[in-house]
Amino acid sequence: SQTIHQWPATLVQPVGSPLSLECTVEGTSNPNLYWYRQAAGRGLQLLFYSVGIGQISSEVPQNLSASRPQDRQFILSSKKLLLSDSGFYLCAWSHQGGETQYFGPGTRLLVL
Amino acid sequence: QKEVEQNSGPLSVPEGAIASLNCTYSDRGSQSFFWYRQYSGKSPELIMSIYSNGDKEDGRFTAQLNKASQYVSLLIRDSQPSDSATYLCAVTPGGSYIPTFGRGTSLIVHP
Repeated sequence: SQTIHQWPATLVQPVGSPLSLECTVEGTSNPNLYWYRQAAGRGLQLLFYSVGIGQISSEVPQNLSASRPQDRQFILSSKKLLLSDSGFYLCAWSHQGGETQYFGPGTRLLVL
Repeated sequence: QKEVEQNSGPLSVPEGAIASLNCTYSDRGSQSFFWYRQYSGKSPELIMSIYSNGDKEDGRFTAQLNKASQYVSLLIRDSQPSDSATYLCAVTPGGSYIPTFGRGTSLIVHP
């Protein structure tokens, strides 16, 4: 069976500091991978998605970036965090070309 | 912009009742529809998917799809306090494989 991991689970960072969130998937190969942000009381906002190693599509222009260095690894980064970057960050995977998404446990980020 | 609309709630129902959650979508070409449950502080988990008009049942859950009216609903029979959560509707627009999520409906099942 497939498993998706995210870490860290929670993170408190000062404004202007860098960020690196990691997501890994086990039990499948060549998945589609997604990064979402869910702000308090708001819906899921798709940030990035990837259909393969090194292939990143950005949905929202902002100070975040994503990378996929390995088939089942997806990383969300920022050079300088803003207060507005606070939120619940969710990684999800689907089968290649599949529409059903499965979510990881999430990382709760608080920028102070 | 493809939209998926849900009443934010909260929808409050007594234990044992039927909870009815509704979702409307704007893209008439949508083909795939999903319901997720999200407990407070947790990530969304898939409950059901539905692709054809009509009803699809899975245990206490029934998804209903009406493409002509562009709505999808989720019925929860014999609601339990453990069903209290936010329910997210997700719809895949035509020509895409990435679903658009609604903001969710908060359900409270009181004993």
